[in-house]
Amino acid sequence: SAVISQKPSRDICQRGTSLTIQCQVDSQVTMMFWYRQQPGQSLTLIATANQGSEATYESGFVIDKFPISRPNLTFSTLTVSNMSPEDSSIYLCSVEVLPEEKLFFGSGTQLSVL
Amino acid sequence: RKEVEQDPGPFNVPEGATVAFNCTYSNSASQSFFWYRQDCRKEPKLLMSVYSSGNEDGRFTAQLNRASQYISLLIRDSKLSDSATYLCVVNLSPGYSSASKIIFGSGTRLSIRP
Repeated sequence: SAVISQKPSRDICQRGTSLTIQCQVDSQVTMMFWYRQQPGQSLTLIATANQGSEATYESGFVIDKFPISRPNLTFSTLTVSNMSPEDSSIYLCSVEVLPEEKLFFGSGTQLSVL
Repeated sequence: RKEVEQDPGPFNVPEGATVAFNCTYSNSASQSFFWYRQDCRKEPKLLMSVYSSGNEDGRFTAQLNRASQYISLLIRDSKLSDSATYLCVVNLSPGYSSASKIIFGSGTRLSIRP
């Protein structure tokens, strides 16, 4: 298994500002993922963060809006840039533990943009 | 057609009842399958993996039908604490890949009443 510390747990931000979310894992992992979950909806993958290379973004998400850092195998950040109310959501980081391919999640960041 | 489909529910059943959920997937190359549980305003947590031969964990039984491309989750003797959203997760990765593709279903809401 893996234990992930995600922070902040929640924030209320003003339109046009940026927020950086951090995830720290208690073990080295190759694959880290960033998800967004709208109220009552399932998880949508934003990007896959790989150590030593640029993140891979899913359709509809771009690096300028959601820059990601992955400086080592235990840490990653996601920044939500130039926020608008439409960015209000829960953001979750996740790691994949091999060989079982099980996912473990951080506790999430509830973001509200005014 | 969605890659992973679930009945959103809600399923409202009395305590002690047996309840079953199905989940269908469209990609026959899907390799691994999981059920996750998500409580309100919490992160998803792995409930159980789903193996081809079927597997059981206490009151929970998971089955996979590759021919019909669906997985199921059976909960026996349901408890009030089983109330949650159950997410079906399908992994298209062949394993050990640098590009795991993990697909979440939209979730099935379960409410157990006293």
